[in-house]
Amino acid sequence: AQSVTQLGSHVSVSEGALVLLRCNYSSSVPPYLFWYVQYPNQGLQLLLKYTSAATLVKGINGFEAEFKKSETSFHLTKPSAHMSDAAEYFCAVSGYGGSQGNLIFGKGTKLSVKP
Amino acid sequence: DAMVIQNPRYQVTQFGKPVTLSCSQTLNHNVMYWYQQKSSQAPKLLFHYYDKDFNNEADTPDNFQSRRPNTSFCFLDIRSPGLGDAAMYLCATSRDRGADNSPLHFGNGTRLTVT
Repeated sequence: AQSVTQLGSHVSVSEGALVLLRCNYSSSVPPYLFWYVQYPNQGLQLLLKYTSAATLVKGINGFEAEFKKSETSFHLTKPSAHMSDAAEYFCAVSGYGGSQGNLIFGKGTKLSVKP
Repeated sequence: DAMVIQNPRYQVTQFGKPVTLSCSQTLNHNVMYWYQQKSSQAPKLLFHYYDKDFNNEADTPDNFQSRRPNTSFCFLDIRSPGLGDAAMYLCATSRDRGADNSPLHFGNGTRLTVT
């Protein structure tokens, strides 16, 4: 069975500082991994996805994530935080081998950006 | 712009009174999903349609039903809402179920309050 653990329900950084949101996964098959962002009262928007190609994945808004099989991790980073990055971020793993139909989401990490 | 539209954005219903949430898409995607997201929790898949084929998640309560009369529309029916059904309900679409295809496109959600 697949599962995702996001470490830290709330992360606060200063504007311009490094953003690091942690995600560890468990999967019995080669995983497909995703990061989604959710702004208040809105749906989820895909930031990036790992689908067994390059281990360093670049996404929208300057975010990237690195797949590390040995650590079963898929942490999300951004070199310099912007106020507009304040949102909730969800890591997800596909339930079946690649199917997005039943993504297993983590509990989310709320990112705050201080001026 | 092609998109996923959910109506209404906010819905208030009474305990036990049936309620229907609607979702429409202009993307012509084959798959439509309904997720339930309770406060400070991860989205949880309730069911999805692959074309006309309905796929229910094993732990989705019988109180929740869905209809997809055509490609563009999908409805979520809650037959007898309880206080525990108060949540954000997210509709999403994808061209197909494989992760290598287009990502999930989410609507902005309907926030359901049960009084």
